[in-house]
Amino acid sequence: EAGVTQFPSHSVIEKGQTVTLRCDPISGHDNLYWYRRVMGKEIKFLLHFVKESKQDESGMPNNRFLAERTGGTYSTLKVQPAELEDSGVYFCASSPANYGYTFGSGTRLTVV
Amino acid sequence: AQSVTQLDSQVPVFEEAPVELRCNYSSSVSVYLFWYVQYPNQGLQLLLKYLSGSTLVKSINGFEAEFNKSQTSFHLRKPSVHISDTAEYFCAVSEGYGGATNKLIFGTGTLLAIQP
Repeated sequence: EAGVTQFPSHSVIEKGQTVTLRCDPISGHDNLYWYRRVMGKEIKFLLHFVKESKQDESGMPNNRFLAERTGGTYSTLKVQPAELEDSGVYFCASSPANYGYTFGSGTRLTVV
Repeated sequence: AQSVTQLDSQVPVFEEAPVELRCNYSSSVSVYLFWYVQYPNQGLQLLLKYLSGSTLVKSINGFEAEFNKSQTSFHLRKPSVHISDTAEYFCAVSEGYGGATNKLIFGTGTLLAIQP
């Protein structure tokens, strides 16, 4: 079984540019989550999809972040325009039920 | 609101020595508890979890954690560590029994540095 795939693995962009992160969950997993770890701090919840619907987006930092999940399959997280404080590692996870998370390897985003 | 505290950002230990990584949480509702591990250049992997039942839970690679409700703790222990255990360890909680989103609340992580 393929795991949760995230790409790119690394991205370096300039402040003000746009970046799109992608997550391919495990096939058949209805639940998809995005988390973020800013350097040295805790991993924080961003949002939760159930199929294509946003179940909870209470962790999204501001309206520069836009998450979508096309047809309940892969998800994208767009940051536009990127700011320095958006730097960190963005993790995606999926699960078929409430407590069976599988995390991806993360995307390390550096905004310079 | 829930929170998780991992007081030790880094724990240096010699190979084959015992180790304890501390985790305390606060919550007004029942919680599920987890330890995740991130090996260098890899993603987060579930190490072990407490959902209900026996308060002592064990992983396949020799780690164990005990849920202590009165002390609101879920410390991770291993009696003898190996170089391969070098990783960052994250404690996490989620709401139990009907929590709205079952999102995880993480601690800040503890880097386990094994010295030969």
